[in-house]
Amino acid sequence: AQKITQTQPGMFVQEKEAVTLDCTYDTSDPSYGLFWYKQPSSGEMIFLIYQGSYDQQNATEGRYSLNFQKARKSANLVISASQLGDSAMYFCAMREALYNQGGKLIFGQGTELSVKP
Amino acid sequence: DGGITQSPKYLFRKEGQNVTLSCEQNLNHDAMYWYRQDPGQGLRLIYYSQIVNDFQKGDIAEGYSVSREKKESFPLTVTSAQKNPTAFYLCATLIQGPNYGYTFGSGTRLTVV
Repeated sequence: AQKITQTQPGMFVQEKEAVTLDCTYDTSDPSYGLFWYKQPSSGEMIFLIYQGSYDQQNATEGRYSLNFQKARKSANLVISASQLGDSAMYFCAMREALYNQGGKLIFGQGTELSVKP
Repeated sequence: DGGITQSPKYLFRKEGQNVTLSCEQNLNHDAMYWYRQDPGQGLRLIYYSQIVNDFQKGDIAEGYSVSREKKESFPLTVTSAQKNPTAFYLCATLIQGPNYGYTFGSGTRLTVV
């Protein structure tokens, strides 16, 4: 069964506007972490933001925020004030058994974001 | 400064050959991982190692082998048994800290010619 689902293969956004990238997950583990990574065309994976399952508040990092709805098992990434440099692939990922050493990250299929000038 | 070094950046392999991708880290992280990425796809786990001299298969280990003789090094061998090896390969280590996430290398792009 798919543990991480990103239903938007591609998205377009106008420069300076906000955009939401969707991510839903499936786990029965009470202790897990959710991650978003950005992958530009160069291929490197850039960590953006993290949300722990026990965190009470939604995570924010600069222009990135994570809309965490635990009951709905969703962890959408919101990018405010989009910039041309935000054009990239974005991956949602989950790590179960968060506090066990050597946990594995499970990735979604990704969403390709294109920012229009 | 600390990081993960993957080499080479580009690698070409003839059919039937084994090739080894290098991954070296100076972060002093215990756990290391190899992922494969196909065009337009997410990352799939090949192998991972939590400590020296120990490693486990991931979801797509067939046709691959690894070793972990040193904490700093986790090389991946793509064997001739891997029928479709053309892909982008990423190595990662586990961050010990508040977000328990990964640090990634810059990747190796393998092409079968």
